[in-house]
Amino acid sequence: DQQVKQNSPSLSVQEGRISILNCDYTNSMFDYFLWYKKYPAEGPTFLISISSIKDKNEDGRFTVFLNKSAKHLSLHIVPSQPGDSAVYFCAARDTGANSKLTFGKGITLSVRP
Amino acid sequence: KAGVTQTPRYLIKTRGQQVTLSCSPISGHRSVSWYQQTPGQGLQFLFEYFSETQRNKGNFPGRFSGRQFSNSRSEMNVSTLELGDSALYLCASSDGSSGEQYFGPGTRLTVT
Repeated sequence: DQQVKQNSPSLSVQEGRISILNCDYTNSMFDYFLWYKKYPAEGPTFLISISSIKDKNEDGRFTVFLNKSAKHLSLHIVPSQPGDSAVYFCAARDTGANSKLTFGKGITLSVRP
Repeated sequence: KAGVTQTPRYLIKTRGQQVTLSCSPISGHRSVSWYQQTPGQGLQFLFEYFSETQRNKGNFPGRFSGRQFSNSRSEMNVSTLELGDSALYLCASSDGSSGEQYFGPGTRLTVT
């Protein structure tokens, strides 16, 4: 049973436009959410996180929105740049599960010049 | 600060053999987690060590084991390798409480 779902396997956007990456979860015990970016042959790089007590967190061009009632979060990248092209993973932490993260299968973002 | 390091980066083994992978966390981090990534799958949690104790365990068979040393370095061992164990094995370190984990470059294991 997949508790973190990234239903769109890929997304293509024009440089300068907004990229919106979506993630849904099923476990009500998740209290912390993270987004990672991964290039081929490298480990995932931490991008941004949000606690379940907040509904928005912003860091430069990256903003994460959390809708707890819908069990949905999204990552907005504005403006998108060609260097943002990578696989993006959504991850969640269960309350009391310490450092265990549950990951989605990832979304491949392509930003066209 | 130096990042998370993993050795070796690439490994080729034969079915039935065993393998040991190593991970050195970021200085000051006491938590080390291991994940397996296979094609078409997300990252799947193997286990987490904190202060030399296994604190969490994922749904992997007993052939997968690990340990952590007093300097927080961690090793992961896979015995009786199967073809399906071919994957990218990622190690992540954290301070154990903040939730943010920082990953190493991974070890690409190929079982033939």
